[in-house]
Amino acid sequence: DARVTQTPRHKVTEMGQEVTMRCQPILGHNTVFWYRQTMMQGLELLAYFRNRAPLDDSGMPKDRFSAEMPDATLATLKIQPSEPRDSAVYFCASGPGTGTDTQYFGPGTRLTVL
Amino acid sequence: AQKVTQAQTEISVVEKEDVTLDCVYETRDTTYYLFWYKQPPSGELVFLIRRNSFDEQNEISGRYSWNFQKSTSSFNFTITASQVVDSAVYFCALSEAQYNFNKFYFGSGTKLNVKP
Repeated sequence: DARVTQTPRHKVTEMGQEVTMRCQPILGHNTVFWYRQTMMQGLELLAYFRNRAPLDDSGMPKDRFSAEMPDATLATLKIQPSEPRDSAVYFCASGPGTGTDTQYFGPGTRLTVL
Repeated sequence: AQKVTQAQTEISVVEKEDVTLDCVYETRDTTYYLFWYKQPPSGELVFLIRRNSFDEQNEISGRYSWNFQKSTSSFNFTITASQVVDSAVYFCALSEAQYNFNKFYFGSGTKLNVKP
């Protein structure tokens, strides 16, 4: 049963520290998405990639956030420096990339910035 | 403007009751896709259904059924004989084929509480 995996599942850090979240998309999927979920804002799209190229990162605060896909099996989301307002659950999702496809979500990384 | 509206923030029912979750969407695209996801207390988003704009047939999967009506831009989700395990937040989402390729617009979610 293919699944999207994310690490770490939980992260507690102090303000100012760098945070790196990792995602392994489903094998064969060529579209990857990063979302942030908070009670106030709901699900927000931060960035998405197709064939490892960033297609849209307009939802991401550029000064502190960065997203990359070093290879087809790994996507990363970094926050540097982290702030308390970044506390949220960060989801990665992947899709086959053949159009308006279903996105399959990972379990999320719960980030707490103190 | 909100592309996907889930007006019901929270619904509480007693086990075995039927419950309908509403979803209204807005798009100018003629080709689009609608989705429902379930987010149980564990937190993971679980895909439930995908429906394209050319297929208005209702769909039934066990206790779950979906009613797609283009005339009212709605894609409602009904759970028949609800169970405690159905307690979750349910999200409706829209993907437009032409304007924002593969981008999803999620509704704000409806929290369903099923009490024993």
